[in-house]
Amino acid sequence: TQLLEQSPQFLSIQEGENLTVYCNSSSVFSSLQWYRQEPGEGPVLLVTVVTGGEVKKLKRLTFQFGDARKDSSLHITAAQPGDTGLYLCAGAETGNQFYFGTGTSLTVIP
Amino acid sequence: DARVTQTPRHKVTEMGQEVTMRCQPILGHNTVFWYRQTMMQGLELLAYFRNRAPLDDSGMPKDRFSAEMPDATLATLKIQPSEPRDSAVYFCASGPTGPEKLFFGSGTQLSVL
Repeated sequence: TQLLEQSPQFLSIQEGENLTVYCNSSSVFSSLQWYRQEPGEGPVLLVTVVTGGEVKKLKRLTFQFGDARKDSSLHITAAQPGDTGLYLCAGAETGNQFYFGTGTSLTVIP
Repeated sequence: DARVTQTPRHKVTEMGQEVTMRCQPILGHNTVFWYRQTMMQGLELLAYFRNRAPLDDSGMPKDRFSAEMPDATLATLKIQPSEPRDSAVYFCASGPTGPEKLFFGSGTQLSVL
């Protein structure tokens, strides 16, 4: 089993603040995904990064894949209450096996 | 919108009973995954199918769990006999071959008393 560690585990911030969530592993992945999960629902894919050093932007969210393809970060600018949820990273090995990180629970306070 | 459908959404049962969870993957997807989510362990991979063939079920307790895909439109996860420690949310996810992404169902919340 590949271990993906996320930090921080819990994050509570005020609306309008910026934040960064980290996903780290000792393993190399062919791709890495970020998901957001809301209570009572399954995770929903936000983005997939494939190339080492790749940066992708999704409105106020910026995702980066590490050069060595072992780690990733998610940065949210000007957080809003709608960003509240559990953020999960998932690393894919060759053959489409996905391993999920430990998760970061984000609460944005209005 | 195409989506992964899981039934039942909630299941409460007594220890020792058989539990069957069902999943209808998105049409055209040929990879199917079963995950279990708990507060302590997060999302754990239980089983993984490609083109209905099981590729990895190493995360699944073999003595009581079984996963099958009788056809391309149905995946099942069975627990027999169930135990209180099996209480968790069980997710099914499907994905297309090639692009590396998963689409999750809404899960089955299982409580074993």
